[in-house]
Amino acid sequence: DIVMTQSPDSLTVSLGERATINCKSSQNVLYSSNNRNSLAWYQQKPGQPPKLLIYWASTRESGVPDRFSGSGSGTDFTLTISSLQPEDVAVYYCQQYYSTPHTFGQGTKLEIK
Amino acid sequence: EVQLVESGGGLIQPGGSLRLSCAASGFTFSSYAMTWVRQAPGKGLEWVSGISDRGGSTYYADSVKGRFTISRDISKNTLYLQMSSLRAEDTAVYYCAKSAGATRLYYFDYWGQGTQVTVSS
Repeated sequence: DIVMTQSPDSLTVSLGERATINCKSSQNVLYSSNNRNSLAWYQQKPGQPPKLLIYWASTRESGVPDRFSGSGSGTDFTLTISSLQPEDVAVYYCQQYYSTPHTFGQGTKLEIK
Repeated sequence: EVQLVESGGGLIQPGGSLRLSCAASGFTFSSYAMTWVRQAPGKGLEWVSGISDRGGSTYYADSVKGRFTISRDISKNTLYLQMSSLRAEDTAVYYCAKSAGATRLYYFDYWGQGTQVTVSS
């Protein structure tokens, strides 16, 4: 199984500042058919289901604010929120969909300072 | 508008069985793979099982293999998860989610609100 490890486990950032969450996979998740990395990011607010933010490591889902961006390749990936807003308080998960089981990272809790 | 509505959760004794359902609408159900993801109380997300668009391929996490069965009824636009030999560690909110792909399980672009399963005596 591919193990997904996020860092940090929790993060406190001031409003308007940048937040960076890292995700490392135990194996390369580059999908050879389209040469894209099979990595997604989700946001989960309390009492709500997860919401897709980013897929193929860097493609923003429709309707997601452009302050959210994804980067990385191979085994190392990053979710960046360029200017933190109050509504961004949530837990963020990375997930690989390269192979089953489609494992998630343990989550990163983002709070406002 | 895509909608996924889970049902069938509840309180069940260890060793018991339960069938979850997920009613889908707002998209062509037979054209997309579907999946179940669960979340134990206060814990992270755990992928449980997936099924291809026409049901020809199924996938399971090792933790549920041999105990859970995923299926779909295209005529009813409904996804199922038959759970048996339930254990306390199966206690979680179970979400159904739509995959962005057909035969492969890609990322999950729509999620239901979840249904609570509690395994306890």
